[in-house]
Amino acid sequence: EPEVTQTPSHQVTQMGQEVILHCVPISNHLYFYWYRQILGQKVEFLVSFYNNEISEKSEIFDDQFSVERPDGSNFTLKIRSTKLEDSAMYFCASRVGLAVDTQYFGPGTRLTVL
Amino acid sequence: DQQVKQNSPSLSVQEGRISILNCDYTNSMFDYFLWYKKYPAEGPTFLISISSIKDKNEDGRFTVFLNKSAKHLSLHIVPSQPGDSAVYFCAVRNTGKLIFGQGTTLQVKP
Repeated sequence: EPEVTQTPSHQVTQMGQEVILHCVPISNHLYFYWYRQILGQKVEFLVSFYNNEISEKSEIFDDQFSVERPDGSNFTLKIRSTKLEDSAMYFCASRVGLAVDTQYFGPGTRLTVL
Repeated sequence: DQQVKQNSPSLSVQEGRISILNCDYTNSMFDYFLWYKKYPAEGPTFLISISSIKDKNEDGRFTVFLNKSAKHLSLHIVPSQPGDSAVYFCAVRNTGKLIFGQGTTLQVKP
């Protein structure tokens, strides 16, 4: 069964450093998402992406964040200058689109900012 | 932001019995609802969904009930199995993105 994959599974970085989180969505899916879950809190929406552009973003998704689909398979989340409060699990999700509303999630990347 | 609430942080049931997980939402315009299951160190796994035109959807041991007037949905698992032990999230679709509840940790005891 096709699945969303994410790498790395765990990323440790120093405050102020840039990180790029990688996702490979399910191949025939058209809509892509990033969510995060800070320890002990809800899963919260960051950004959605369709047709090579951001379709919606949350107030969390400020200028430090960017997303890119550099080729036909990868979908990346970049954090330009990490802060301690960026430490969280980051989940990528994809949806086939059209009338299908179900989003399928990857296993997540645990980001630890020291 | 409490648009989706799961008021029970945990639930413990005996194997073979029914598990009922509850979720409340605030906005009557929400039209699509989902349940996800999550194991530690894994991503949320889709379980079952329901659109607002229905009041019940069933898939094997899992049934979701939607009460639009009460803005309430519930997930029934019958019979519960030890492998069902996980965190269960309800989510609603809002302009494409999902809004999640806080989750309920279900423990099914053998």
